[in-house]
Amino acid sequence: GIQVEQSPPDLILQEGANSTLRCNFSDSVNNLQWFHQNPWGQLINLFYIPSGTKQNGRLSATTVATERYSLLYISSSQTTDSGVYFCAVMEYGNKLVFGAGTILRVKS
Amino acid sequence: NAGVTQTPKFQVLKTGQSMTLQCAQDMNHNSMYWYRQDPGMGLRLIYYSASEGTTDKGEVPNGYNVSRLNKREFSLRLESAAPSQTSVYFCASSKSRTAYEQYFGPGTRLTVT
Repeated sequence: GIQVEQSPPDLILQEGANSTLRCNFSDSVNNLQWFHQNPWGQLINLFYIPSGTKQNGRLSATTVATERYSLLYISSSQTTDSGVYFCAVMEYGNKLVFGAGTILRVKS
Repeated sequence: NAGVTQTPKFQVLKTGQSMTLQCAQDMNHNSMYWYRQDPGMGLRLIYYSASEGTTDKGEVPNGYNVSRLNKREFSLRLESAAPSQTSVYFCASSKSRTAYEQYFGPGTRLTVT
């Protein structure tokens, strides 16, 4: 089955700093989502982005499907950005497979 | 719209007890899913229902059964709970099984002692 690798596994930022999270996947996909799991455990949809670039406020994401990776950019980080960021991908006709996540801690 | 709702939020069971986790969505989605999340890991698919009247096994189905009661509701049953089923359970829904965004409920934290 498809493999999903996220990097870095852990990241500590000072408030106001920028960061880039990476998701590599091993096969062609037709669905890629980024989620934020907040400290209360809730999964929040950030982007549905099987290809191209999208922006939402301080967050943006780019997926290069031909090179099998996606990037999540967080600018001007805030303490409320803390939590775990998951990338999840789906092979055509198959299931959504999650990466292990990146744990982000933003310090004030 | 409430989106995806789950009950209960927390549950403690003794080994061998049974229980049913309930999930409902009000987005008129065709497909629904049950996942489990173990500490320090991503989510793994237990079962899914591509459309009303159909259910299929996911990655980790052993020890679970599901029922797609109608288009809105999808329940997960543990017939004889085991400590290995201690986990956080998430329900999700999407417009269809492929190529559409999945939306998640708030989760049920289950402990089996």
